Amino acid sequence: LAKTTQPISMDSYEGQEVNITCSHNNIATNDYITWYQQFPSQGPRFIIQGYKTKVTNEVASLFIPADRKSSTLSLPRVSLSDTAVYYCLVGDGFKAAGNKLTFGGGTRVLVKP
Amino acid sequence: DVKVTQSSRYLVKRTGEKVFLECVQDMDHENMFWYRQDPGLGLRLIYFSYDVKMKEKGDIPEGYSVSREKKERFSLILESASTNQTSMYLCASSFRTSGRIEQFFGPGTRLTVL
Repeated sequence: LAKTTQPISMDSYEGQEVNITCSHNNIATNDYITWYQQFPSQGPRFIIQGYKTKVTNEVASLFIPADRKSSTLSLPRVSLSDTAVYYCLVGDGFKAAGNKLTFGGGTRVLVKP
Repeated sequence: DVKVTQSSRYLVKRTGEKVFLECVQDMDHENMFWYRQDPGLGLRLIYFSYDVKMKEKGDIPEGYSVSREKKERFSLILESASTNQTSMYLCASSFRTSGRIEQFFGPGTRLTVL
C-alpha cells in the first residue's frame, strides 16, 4: 500500500480557498487517490476520488499531476462547517483487498470567522 | 442512503472482561472493516472481512478477534479487555470491487476500559 504524507494542520478563514497537498511517491499504476473528511465524534466520509488530471464535484476539486506522486484537494470558499480532519488515501478499488485502506494522521483544517 | 450502525456509542468495561462490539450495514456490502482511532495515530485497521465467514488481519489485530456469520453483521471481540484498548472503534463497509474506494462508516463506539 502506498504511504501518504500530508500536513498535520492548516488554518484558514471563511470564504477562502483551502488547498491540501498529499504526497504519495510510491503510488502504484492501479491505485486511485481518495479523500475523506471527518468531523468530531463521527466516522470519516468520502469526499472525492480521482486517478489523474482533475476531478470536481459539488464539494471539492482534486488535482493530480501527470506523475501522480502527489495530489491536491481544493475546498473552495470554506465555511466554519468545513472545520474537520481530511485524510488522503491511495488504493486499488478493484482488488478485494484494495479496500484495505491505510488512514494516516490526516490534516486538521480549522476555519476561522 | 447507506446506513452503518454500531451497537453502542459509549461503553465502559473493566479489565479482563470480554467485550463485543456489533456492526450492522444495510447495503448488502461484501466488505466490512473494524478500525480504532487514537489521537495522533489516525485510523488503524484491526480486521476486515470480504465475505461471510472470511476475515483478514489488519495492521493491529493483537488482542482482537472478529466474527462474520451474516453478510450484514460484523462483530469485533475483545477477548480480555485491557486499558490500552481504550479507544474509539469505527466500523465501515463497502462494495468489494466497485473501483470507487468508498467506505461507509458508522458513528463509532467510544470504549473505556477501567
